[in-house]
Amino acid sequence: EAAVTQSPRNKVTVTGGNVTLSCRQTNSHNYMYWYRQDTGHGLRLIHYSYGAGNLQIGDVPDGYKATRTTQEDFFLLLELASPSQTSLYFCASSGRDRGNERLFFGHGTKLSVL
Amino acid sequence: TQTVSQSDAHVTVFEGDSVELRCNYSYGGSIYLSWYIQHHGRGLQFLLKYYSGNPVVQGVNGFEAEFSKSDSSFHLRKASVHWSDSAVYFCAVSARGSALGRLHFGAGTQLIVIP
Repeated sequence: EAAVTQSPRNKVTVTGGNVTLSCRQTNSHNYMYWYRQDTGHGLRLIHYSYGAGNLQIGDVPDGYKATRTTQEDFFLLLELASPSQTSLYFCASSGRDRGNERLFFGHGTKLSVL
Repeated sequence: TQTVSQSDAHVTVFEGDSVELRCNYSYGGSIYLSWYIQHHGRGLQFLLKYYSGNPVVQGVNGFEAEFSKSDSSFHLRKASVHWSDSAVYFCAVSARGSALGRLHFGAGTQLIVIP
């Protein structure tokens, strides 16, 4: 099964702090995504990328930057964290699995901004 | 406006019962519809997807979903649930031609299966 690994699993920071969330996939997938999950909203797409050096804006990009340094690594950056960014963050990659194209998710990073 | 509505926040059933989790959407253009499952503390896992053709699609673990264009719905069903099916289920819509993960999700339905 395709693997997507996120780190850290939990992060606590203060308002105005600088946070980097990391995601690595070893599936040779082109596409990678960052979502946030909040109660009552399901998952919402922040940024995504279709290859190293590429970045596409999602539906809720404000306050977030992202960088795809390699095929495997996709980072989400919060340069001035705010309490409204307290959330559960998921990374995913997409590619073919047994003939079907599908998404593979990491286990999530719980971020608390105090 | 693109919306995905899951009208039931919680559904509780007994093991062995059948269950239907509802999903309605409002989306312009051609779309894909999918369902994902999220067990507590885990990432989402793909259940099934509808592209075109037969409106009833089969997924993993005995789940199926039926697309209805007239009702703008894509309800998920299972004939006999197991306690391990307890999880949160998300319906999602994406536009054809866009990246697979460029999804709009519903708010989710928590399914509780009582053993």
